[in-house]
Amino acid sequence: AQKITQTQPGMFVQEKEAVTLDCTYDTSDQSYGLFWYKQPSSGEMIFLIYQGSYDEQNATEGRYSLNFQKARKSANLVISASQLGDSAMYFCAMREAYSGAGSYQLTFGKGTKLSVIP
Amino acid sequence: DGGITQSPKYLFRKEGQNVTLSCEQNLNHDAMYWYRQDPGQGLRLIYYSQIVNDFQKGDIAEGYSVSREKKESFPLTVTSAQKNPTAFYLCASNTLLGFSTDTQYFGPGTRLTVL
Repeated sequence: AQKITQTQPGMFVQEKEAVTLDCTYDTSDQSYGLFWYKQPSSGEMIFLIYQGSYDEQNATEGRYSLNFQKARKSANLVISASQLGDSAMYFCAMREAYSGAGSYQLTFGKGTKLSVIP
Repeated sequence: DGGITQSPKYLFRKEGQNVTLSCEQNLNHDAMYWYRQDPGQGLRLIYYSQIVNDFQKGDIAEGYSVSREKKESFPLTVTSAQKNPTAFYLCASNTLLGFSTDTQYFGPGTRLTVL
């Protein structure tokens, strides 16, 4: 079974509108972390936001927020006031406490391609 | 300027050749990683290292080798045993201060093409 599932291969959003990118995860660990990265066409992975499994508040970083629903095992990224520069691939990733291959390994989803329309 | 550098940006290899991808970081991070990314796919872990002179295989280590002789450097060699090496390779690093706070940062990547 996939540990990270991103069900939207591609999304379109109008400039200045908000958009939600979905991410569901699968783990039996109690302690884990969830990350979102942005990958523009240049290829570099840019860290956006982090949510710990014990964090009670949803994480926010500027225009990015994470809608964390622990019981549903979802960690959706919300981008408010979309800008043309937000057009990129977005990856959800998880770090489990006991991944078996090193406790700091990240497992990535397949990504969602976001296109912002002027 | 602190960060992770990878070189070269583009690399072309003939079949049967070994090639080495460079990764250097000046962030004083203990752990370093190599990932492979294929088109339309997420990242898959090749090797990682948490301390100098020690490294561990990731999910897809076959056909690759690494070394960690210095804390700042973690080169990846793609050997001729790797059946399908054409891909985008990303190097990453993080501290080992605490599980919940150690964000992994990435370099700009190397695009390897086998001719």
